Amino acid sequence: DAGVIQSPRHEVTEMGQEVTLRCKPISGHDYLFWYRQTMMRGLELLIYFNNNVPIDDSGMPEDRFSAKMPNASFSTLKIQPSEPRDSAVYFCASSLTFAEQYFGPGTRLTVT
Amino acid sequence: KQEVTQIPAALSVPEGENLVLNCSFTDSAIYNLQWFRQDPGKGLTSLLLIQSSQREQTSGRLNASLDKSSGRSTLYIAASQPGDSATYLCAACDLNEKLTFGTGTRLTIIP
Repeated sequence: DAGVIQSPRHEVTEMGQEVTLRCKPISGHDYLFWYRQTMMRGLELLIYFNNNVPIDDSGMPEDRFSAKMPNASFSTLKIQPSEPRDSAVYFCASSLTFAEQYFGPGTRLTVT
Repeated sequence: KQEVTQIPAALSVPEGENLVLNCSFTDSAIYNLQWFRQDPGKGLTSLLLIQSSQREQTSGRLNASLDKSSGRSTLYIAASQPGDSATYLCAACDLNEKLTFGTGTRLTIIP
């Protein structure tokens, strides 16, 4: 397996634009997690899915953020409209039930 | 709310020395505790996972211990090498599968 795949690896956009981050989990994993990492706040869980169903989105900062998982092999995290404070590295991770989480390489987002 | 703390934030040791990284957590109702490594500009790599019923796990030169009652975990690295230089993060997994991460310890091994 190629591991967790994220795209794009880098994204630079202007304030107000829509940003879509993509993730392909490891095949067979039933959990998918979206994290955000910043220098100030460290690594924070935004939302996670179990069997494609959102379980806990309490970490999503505000209504500008939304996440979907239309099938077991694909998830998106969308920011609309984007703001400079959204600049961070966004990680996707997947796991089997109560097992170690495998992280993707991350998407570095810069909003100017 | 679970809080995870790692002290020190940064550590430098000469090559060949053994070292211990510390992790503490406030809520002992965890399912497991995980240690990760992060290289600059990279994602996280899982190193060790200790189930709540276990006291320690070993992988090569790495040994992680868990004391739930005191809310502590340690990561022991034997015979350190320059390639061990990275940021090490611990994360407590609660009963809902959520990981709460510490802020990490940035380790530098001096050749």
